[in-house]
Amino acid sequence: DQQVKQNSPSLSVQEGRISILNCDYTNSMFDYFLWYKKYPAEGPTFLISISSIKDKNEDGRFTVFLNKSAKHLSLHIVPSQPGDSAVYFCAAKFRRNSGGYQKVTFGTGTKLQVIP
Amino acid sequence: DVKVTQSSRYLVKRTGEKVFLECVQDMDHENMFWYRQDPGLGLRLIYFSYDVKMKEKGDIPEGYSVSREKKERFSLILESASTNQTSMYLCASSSPIPGKYNEQFFGPGTRLTVL
Repeated sequence: DQQVKQNSPSLSVQEGRISILNCDYTNSMFDYFLWYKKYPAEGPTFLISISSIKDKNEDGRFTVFLNKSAKHLSLHIVPSQPGDSAVYFCAAKFRRNSGGYQKVTFGTGTKLQVIP
Repeated sequence: DVKVTQSSRYLVKRTGEKVFLECVQDMDHENMFWYRQDPGLGLRLIYFSYDVKMKEKGDIPEGYSVSREKKERFSLILESASTNQTSMYLCASSSPIPGKYNEQFFGPGTRLTVL
């Protein structure tokens, strides 16, 4: 049962344009969402996150939007650059108990190609 | 700077061999994780540990075991490797403190091929 879904396996965008990566989730208990970027032969690196009490978080060229009623989040990259070409994973988590360990559920990833 | 290192970048083993994948982090993180990444399936959690000698099964623990004898080291063990365990294995660590430490820090991965 895939609780975090990225329905687009790939996306191509022209340099300078906006990239929009989408993610849907099914578990309404998730209260924190993250985006990771992964280059080939490297581990994923954290990009940006958003708490369920917010609907938008911005960091430079990257903005994440959360629509809780639709159980949907999206990552916007403006303007897109060739160096943004990577696989992007959406992830979600919730606190399981007061002990604080945090199981994270990842999506299947979207491969973004930014064309110069 | 957080650093998570994995003992091998590439590994080739034969069916039935016992395989050890080692992971070390230098940030004094309590939480450590093992994932495997496969095309079309994303990152799937195998096991995680929230303290020394503590472990909990993830989504796909079958065929794997783990060991956490020291806080900085988390080992993944394939008791008897099989071809369907050919994959990219990623180790990660995180702090349980809420806030900006919510993210996991990943190692570079080990590409394991089982022949």
